[in-house]
Amino acid sequence: DAGVIQSPRHEVTEMGQEVTLRCKPISGHNSLFWYRQTMMRGLELLIYFNNNVPIDDSGMPEDRFSAKMPNASFSTLKIQPSEPRDSAVYFCASSLIGGYTFGSGTRLTVV
Amino acid sequence: GNSVTQMEGPVTLSEEAFLTINCTYTATGYPSLFWYVQYPGEGLQLLLKATKADDKGSNKGFEATYRKETTSFHLEKGSVQVSDSAVYFCALLNPLNTGTASKLTFGTGTRLQVTL
Repeated sequence: DAGVIQSPRHEVTEMGQEVTLRCKPISGHNSLFWYRQTMMRGLELLIYFNNNVPIDDSGMPEDRFSAKMPNASFSTLKIQPSEPRDSAVYFCASSLIGGYTFGSGTRLTVV
Repeated sequence: GNSVTQMEGPVTLSEEAFLTINCTYTATGYPSLFWYVQYPGEGLQLLLKATKADDKGSNKGFEATYRKETTSFHLEKGSVQVSDSAVYFCALLNPLNTGTASKLTFGTGTRLQVTL
C-alpha cells in the first residue's frame, strides 16, 4: 500500500493565482480530511468527507477555498485567488474506522 | 464537546533521559485515545493507541495508559534518543460521533528536542 499520496510536495505561486492541491486516499478508506498546519495556528481541520460527501466544511477559512471529492480515490483542495497568508503545509488524511493515515503534505508558499 | 489539552512545549531533554508528555481530555462517553508523531518535514504518523480504560498502548519504547479516573493519556519513554526529536500530538476519537465520520480531535502538539 502506497499510503495517502499528495501532490505536489511543494508549490510556490504568486498572489492572485489559483492553486490546486491533490490527494489520493488509501483504497477502501471511506473518510478523507484536509488539514492546514502553520506555526501560528497549529493543525487546523479545514473540511472532511465521508463516502465522498462533504460533512463539515466549517474550518474552511473563506470562500476562496473549495474542496471536492468526485470519487473515492481522489480529492482536490483549491484556493482561488491565493494570498500570502495561505502559505502553510496542507495535509490530507484518510481513515476507515478511527485511525488516520496522513499524507506527506504539500508545502504551499504564496509570494 | 470533545477537547484535548497537552503540555506546552518545547520539551528539551538530554539523550537517555526519561520523557513524560502530559495529555488530558474532555469527552462524553468512552473515547479512544491516540498519540501521533510528526517528524520534521513529514506528516503525522500513528504512534500508539488505547481504546478503553486501563488499556496501555505501546510502540518503539513509548507507552501511554488510558486513565479514565483522571481523564489522562500521558506519553512516556524511559530513555529518549536524538531520533525521537519530533512533535507529538495527543488525540481522541469519540464513538458517539461516528454516525457521520470518524473525526479525531487533536491537541496542539508538543515539540520534543533531544540533545546529545
